[in-house]
Amino acid sequence: DTEVTQTPKHLVMGMTNKKSLKCEQHMGHRAMYWYKQKAKKPPELMFVYSYEKLSINESVPSRFSPECPNSSLLNLHLHALQPEDSALYLCASSPIFTSTDTQYFGPGTRLTVL
Amino acid sequence: GQNIDQPTEMTATEGAIVQINCTYQTSGFNGLFWYQQHAGEAPTFLSYNVLDGLEEKGRFSSFLSRSKGYSYLLLKELQMKDSASYLCAVRRTGGFKTIFGAGTRLFVKA
Repeated sequence: DTEVTQTPKHLVMGMTNKKSLKCEQHMGHRAMYWYKQKAKKPPELMFVYSYEKLSINESVPSRFSPECPNSSLLNLHLHALQPEDSALYLCASSPIFTSTDTQYFGPGTRLTVL
Repeated sequence: GQNIDQPTEMTATEGAIVQINCTYQTSGFNGLFWYQQHAGEAPTFLSYNVLDGLEEKGRFSSFLSRSKGYSYLLLKELQMKDSASYLCAVRRTGGFKTIFGAGTRLFVKA
């Protein structure tokens, strides 16, 4: 298995809803990432988990809450989002959290906040 | 701070060669990646350079000059399916963050 999967592919939610994005990989990678990508913009790093521990939080608002239940799973819990949070949310993984490791991206969840 | 510059758009003809340039300024450089991203899809890895020189992989080659803060991606024998955005990304030391450039949208025409 050489892929990163994400569910759902599309999500529409209201500003008062609570939802979760899920990411899974079975490549034995020990680093997992969440990125946010707006249209025609580069991916922006949100969070990095290394060995199931949060390593980087890029000053992301608390309405985004990451969780790494085990080495294969990464969740992003969403609550009280704003319309400007509408974007493509990409999950990625890499073998070990070092500079030389290539990140493998999932297909993304396209989120629309109404 | 860091800054990554690449052209916004390029157009090339099927079968031709195209070079996409990337210049960067960063504190603590620790490698440069090129990714391909088709519209609405995830980025896929193309190449990684950490030492100066040319890395060749099939129709794709990537070059790095650390002293000049410069890289390019060379695509040979262009195919229509190569129409995509090409993202230059720089990995920094001290936290191992990867910063992405805005991407170059390549249009391949028949």
